[in-house]
Amino acid sequence: KQEVTQIPAALSVPEGENLVLNCSFTDSAIYNLQWFRQDPGKGLTSLLLIQSSQREQTSGRLNASLDKSSGRSTLYIAASQPGDSATYLCAVRPRSGAGSYQLTFGKGTKLSVIP
Amino acid sequence: EADIYQTPRYLVIGTGKKITLECSQTMGHDKMYWYQQDPGMELHLIHYSYGVNSTEKGDLSSESTVSRIRTEHFPLTLESARPSHTSQYLCASSEGGGGPPYEQYFGPGTRLTVT
Repeated sequence: KQEVTQIPAALSVPEGENLVLNCSFTDSAIYNLQWFRQDPGKGLTSLLLIQSSQREQTSGRLNASLDKSSGRSTLYIAASQPGDSATYLCAVRPRSGAGSYQLTFGKGTKLSVIP
Repeated sequence: EADIYQTPRYLVIGTGKKITLECSQTMGHDKMYWYQQDPGMELHLIHYSYGVNSTEKGDLSSESTVSRIRTEHFPLTLESARPSHTSQYLCASSEGGGGPPYEQYFGPGTRLTVT
């Protein structure tokens, strides 16, 4: 059964710092990996999706990498801003089989960017 | 921005009541999902649908039921609410179909409290 772990559970950084969030998964047979942002009491906003054949994806100040063989992904945030404060979730989709459209989520990393 | 809507956003209800959580999307997506999320915990899939008249249970057992009579609408029903049903319920949709699975888009969620 796929398990997704995100470390650290919480992170506090001063404004302007670059930071890295980590995600690991136990089964490397994935179709893609998706990073989300969740603000308190809100739904999820998709940030980046990396297909299993890709190594990284970039959007603005965000860069996500994927090392499928080692079961790891990182989300790099450059020049952090207070508006980046949120919980960041990582989720993987299995490659095939029953339930191949289901996502397995980690518990998330709660990020606080201090002005 | 994803066009997926959930109502109500917040609901406080007494034990034993029947409730229906609404979810609608205007993107024409085939696939729709319901997730349950307790505070500080992972999202768990409780129901999903591949299309009209298709419903399946997710990996987390739930006493709720769903229906998919129209492509755009995927309501979740609890026949008799209990305090253990207190949680946040998130609806999502994605394209899928003959091609590779796409990103899942999430609604804002319904925070349910059963007293």
